[in-house]
Amino acid sequence: DGGITQSPKYLFRKEGQNVTLSCEQNLNHDAMYWYRQDPGQGLRLIYYSQIVNDFQKGDIAEGYSVSREKKESFPLTVTSAQKNPTAFYLCASSIPSGGYNEQFFGPGTRLTVL
Amino acid sequence: DQQVKQNSPSLSVQEGRISILNCDYTNSMFDYFLWYKKYPAEGPTFLISISSIKDKNEDGRFTVFLNKSAKHLSLHIVPSQPGDSAVYFCAASAERIQFYFGTGTSLTVIP
Repeated sequence: DGGITQSPKYLFRKEGQNVTLSCEQNLNHDAMYWYRQDPGQGLRLIYYSQIVNDFQKGDIAEGYSVSREKKESFPLTVTSAQKNPTAFYLCASSIPSGGYNEQFFGPGTRLTVL
Repeated sequence: DQQVKQNSPSLSVQEGRISILNCDYTNSMFDYFLWYKKYPAEGPTFLISISSIKDKNEDGRFTVFLNKSAKHLSLHIVPSQPGDSAVYFCAASAERIQFYFGTGTSLTVIP
């Protein structure tokens, strides 16, 4: 059963702590993405990666970091430098650009910083 | 600056009637457009897409129309069903690398 998994579904952290959100895909997609959704707003791109060991900042990368050591995995770390980390985080993957391909999304992780 | 806009936060439609969801964009370099459907606390699921070489794409009850001169696209759902009740996002891309999403329209189909 191919798809994208994100864990955990709900995550609580104290202010000032770093936290890492997991994203795994078995779709054999090269490109992976992290988005953030806030109430009343669209999805905003945090980071994306087109191939292993390479990634680029999106529109709101400040306070976040990523790694792409394996094709299947693209973890996102929310650091203490992120001023407003409470949000719904979505991971996505797609076949690389060059074709007309949609992104496939995981179920999301809701992070609440107390 | 929001490059993709959905100016209607919500829409209510009677079951069996047509639902029309609208989306405007500002970047003339966008050449690929998509619609996603999203339920609360879940990830979006892909519905339908259109490239800029077309002005219409149809898939079952869903049709997307693209008006490049007006930088406007719309999603038509006919007939609307209660299961269509969800938030709908439009998205646009210039190089199929980075996608820009609108703020979403919450559709309620009334039985």
